[in-house]
Amino acid sequence: SAVISQKPSRDICQRGTSLTIQCQVDSQVTMMFWYRQQPGQSLTLIATANQGSEATYESGFVIDKFPISRPNLTFSTLTVSNMSPEDSSIYLCSASAYSGNTIYFGEGSWLTVV
Amino acid sequence: RKEVEQDPGPFNVPEGATVAFNCTYSNSASQSFFWYRQDCRKEPKLLMSVYSSGNEDGRFTAQLNRASQYISLLIRDSKLSDSATYLCVVNPPGTYKYIFGTGTRLKVLA
Repeated sequence: SAVISQKPSRDICQRGTSLTIQCQVDSQVTMMFWYRQQPGQSLTLIATANQGSEATYESGFVIDKFPISRPNLTFSTLTVSNMSPEDSSIYLCSASAYSGNTIYFGEGSWLTVV
Repeated sequence: RKEVEQDPGPFNVPEGATVAFNCTYSNSASQSFFWYRQDCRKEPKLLMSVYSSGNEDGRFTAQLNRASQYISLLIRDSKLSDSATYLCVVNPPGTYKYIFGTGTRLKVLA
């Protein structure tokens, strides 16, 4: 299994500001993903973080709003830009050794935008 | 039709009861299936993978029905600590993505 560390674990942010969430995996993994979970909802995939290239975004999510980096096989960042109260959510980093294998999650970053 | 569908519940059952959840998936060629458990305000954690031949781990049994395109999770002798949301996850073929169901809430009552 993979151990995934995320930070910050929670934050309260001002409207219009940006916040970068960091995700560190304790082993090299092929796949890294970023999910959002809004209150009372299930997980929605934001994007797949690709090592050394641009992330692959899902419908409804764009790079200008959620820029993602993945400089190596164990680290990724997600930035939530120009935040509004609608961005208040849990953001979860996840990783898998390869497609179809078990996916593991970080503890999540709880963002509240005021 | 949604890619992965679950009954959101809640399922309220007494301690000791047996409860079963189903999850339907739309892509008949999907190969990888999982059940995750999510406690309130926590991240999802793997409960069990679902194999073609079924999978049993203690009080938990997961099964795959390819003909009807659903997976199931059976919990026997429910404990108070089983109260959580159970998420069905499917990795469709030809994609690296993991699709989550909306989750089924279970509450085990004393």
